[in-house]
Amino acid sequence: AQTVTQSQPEMSVQEAETVTLSCTYDTSESDYYLFWYKQPPSRQMILVIRQEAYKQQNATENRFSVNFQKAAKSFSLKISDSQLGDAAMYFCAYRGKTGGGADGLTFGKGTHLIIQP
Amino acid sequence: EAGVTQSPTHLIKTRGQQATLRCSPISGHTSVYWYQQALGLGLQFLLWYDEGEERNRGNFPPRFSGRQFPNYSSELNVNALELEDSALYLCASSLVGRTEAFFGQGTRLTVV
Repeated sequence: AQTVTQSQPEMSVQEAETVTLSCTYDTSESDYYLFWYKQPPSRQMILVIRQEAYKQQNATENRFSVNFQKAAKSFSLKISDSQLGDAAMYFCAYRGKTGGGADGLTFGKGTHLIIQP
Repeated sequence: EAGVTQSPTHLIKTRGQQATLRCSPISGHTSVYWYQQALGLGLQFLLWYDEGEERNRGNFPPRFSGRQFPNYSSELNVNALELEDSALYLCASSLVGRTEAFFGQGTRLTVV
C-alpha cells in the first residue's frame, strides 16, 4: 500500500518570503501522479499543482513549484512571495496509475501554513 | 461552470441513526469519489463510482454505502451511525481517465 508522509504539522513564514513544505511517499509503482492540494478554512480542497512521475521536469504554477526527487521519493512544494491568501492546510497526495486510479488519492496528514503579515 | 456541490453543509444525527449525504459532480464528469476527513485520521478514501457502478471502496465497513444516479450525482449513506463517524465528508469528481479531481466543500457530519 502507498503511504504519504508530511513531517511538518505546522509552518510559519513572513509575508513575501519563500517557504518549502516537505512530503515523502512510499510506493512500489514506477508511474504515478503526485499532487499538492490546499484546504483553506472554507474546507474546499483546491488543486495547487500536480506532477507526473515519468516527467523529470519539476512542475511550476506561478508562485508554486515542486522539487520532485523520484529516487528519494520526495515531493516538496515551494511557495515564493508568500501572500496572506496562501494561509491554509496543504496536503500532499499520491495517485497510482494502476487500475485507472481505483484507489483514489492517498493523502498525507497535512501541513498547516501560517502567513505572518 | 458550477463546481462540485455537496448537501447538506452540516448534518447532526444521533448514534444509531442513518445519514444521507449528496454530491453533484461537475457537468460532464462521470467519476465521483468520496473521502472521509476525520480529526486525527486525515483524509481517507471511501468509495469510487463511475458510470453508475461502484468501482472500488476503501477500508470501511459495509454500513458505509452509496450509489450513483444516471445523471452522475451520488449519494453516500451511513447506517447505524457511531460517534467515530463524525467527520467532514468530501466528494470529488473527475473525468474518467483524467487525473485531476475537483472537490466540493464537504458535509460536516456530527454524531451525538
